[in-house]
Amino acid sequence: SAVISQKPSRDICQRGTSLTIQCQVDSQVTMMFWYRQQPGQSLTLIATANQGSEATYESGFVIDKFPISRPNLTFSTLTVSNMSPEDSSIYLCSARDRGKNTEAFFGQGTRLTVV
Amino acid sequence: GNSVTQMEGPVTLSEEAFLTINCTYTATGYPSLFWYVQYPGEGLQLLLKATKADDKGSNKGFEATYRKETTSFHLEKGSVQVSDSAVYFCALGGFFRSGSARQLTFGSGTQLTVLP
Repeated sequence: SAVISQKPSRDICQRGTSLTIQCQVDSQVTMMFWYRQQPGQSLTLIATANQGSEATYESGFVIDKFPISRPNLTFSTLTVSNMSPEDSSIYLCSARDRGKNTEAFFGQGTRLTVV
Repeated sequence: GNSVTQMEGPVTLSEEAFLTINCTYTATGYPSLFWYVQYPGEGLQLLLKATKADDKGSNKGFEATYRKETTSFHLEKGSVQVSDSAVYFCALGGFFRSGSARQLTFGSGTQLTVLP
């Protein structure tokens, strides 16, 4: 199993500013992902964080708005840029190993409120 | 593409009642199937999983059987407790042609409230 530490756990930010969320995994994992969970909704994949290269973004999400870094196998960051109230959501980091039967592990999430 | 359809909520039950949350999926190949639980203010935790047809995942009194013929993975518990109140997500684990894993596809989530 893997334990994922995500911080901050919550933040209230002014519109137009940026917030960087950090995700640390306690073991080396192949795959790391960032999800968004809007209030009362399911999880939507933002991107797959690739080690040492640009992240792979899902439709509707772009690098300029959600830049992602992954400098090594255990750490990733997601930045929410130029925030607006519509970005208020829970952001979740997830990690999964390469085998197709493996489960994904999740951080506790970052609850972001943009005012 | 892959998709998961999950029973709409919210679901409210009395303690010791029987629980069923329906989940059906659409996928190519033979994905792994998962149930995750999210308690208030927390991230997602794996509840159980099944990796091939007819597998039964079980944990904490919850069970789900991977039914390929009906493309279903319904979650059941014989006697729910107040502490089971949470949001439950059905998920499908896709994979690339190479066999390596990709991201999970989640259902919409079902809010369960168990009353004493």
